[in-house]
Amino acid sequence: NAGVTQTPKFQVLKTGQSMTLQCAQDMNHEYMSWYRQDPGMGLRLIHYSVGAGITDQGEVPNGYNVSRSTTEDFPLRLLSAAPSQTSVYFCASSYSQGAGELFFGEGSRLTVL
Amino acid sequence: ILNVEQSPQSLHVQEGDSTNFTCSFPSSNFYALHWYRWETAKSPEALFVMTLNGDEKKKGRISATLNTKEGYSYLYIKGSQPEDSATYLCADPWSSARQLTFGSGTQLTVLP
Repeated sequence: NAGVTQTPKFQVLKTGQSMTLQCAQDMNHEYMSWYRQDPGMGLRLIHYSVGAGITDQGEVPNGYNVSRSTTEDFPLRLLSAAPSQTSVYFCASSYSQGAGELFFGEGSRLTVL
Repeated sequence: ILNVEQSPQSLHVQEGDSTNFTCSFPSSNFYALHWYRWETAKSPEALFVMTLNGDEKKKGRISATLNTKEGYSYLYIKGSQPEDSATYLCADPWSSARQLTFGSGTQLTVLP
């Protein structure tokens, strides 16, 4: 059972570089989201999607871009990486907004130098 | 952003002790309350999703209660074991978009 798959698991970037974190789920979930984990601040929502073609901003969207062309995939793009984006990123999916449990990917650790 | 608060921030108990911790959330417009278990170097895993006032859920030695009128939920662990060591998160779906807002967690360490 693959569940939610994130790649890459680790990445080091230089300031100003761009990259895409990939997320795919095989559970046919409509709801997908991206969180970042910051010490002392827990998990903060970056962007989310309620279905293919529909995305919206979460709590900390600045510097990130998303798209949802298929139900399965929800990539997160860093447009011009900054040291403040050094974090662990988690993709999650659910069958229902709010009342459905989130299934998380294994996380992607990003370091921006 | 609605505040979801958890206490205590960290907790050390001896193996075999029972323990509990608290999640506080805004009681207005309640929709659901989630609990997750997050082990170091892994990803969070759902324990419970609770929707009804007075609801009580149980999974093995872990149980949770919910009071939506006063805006709190308790998570209980009976007879703690070292493998229970983890961070326990609660989360509240807020706004009409039902996005989950997470508390900062309670970090539990069970000493053998």
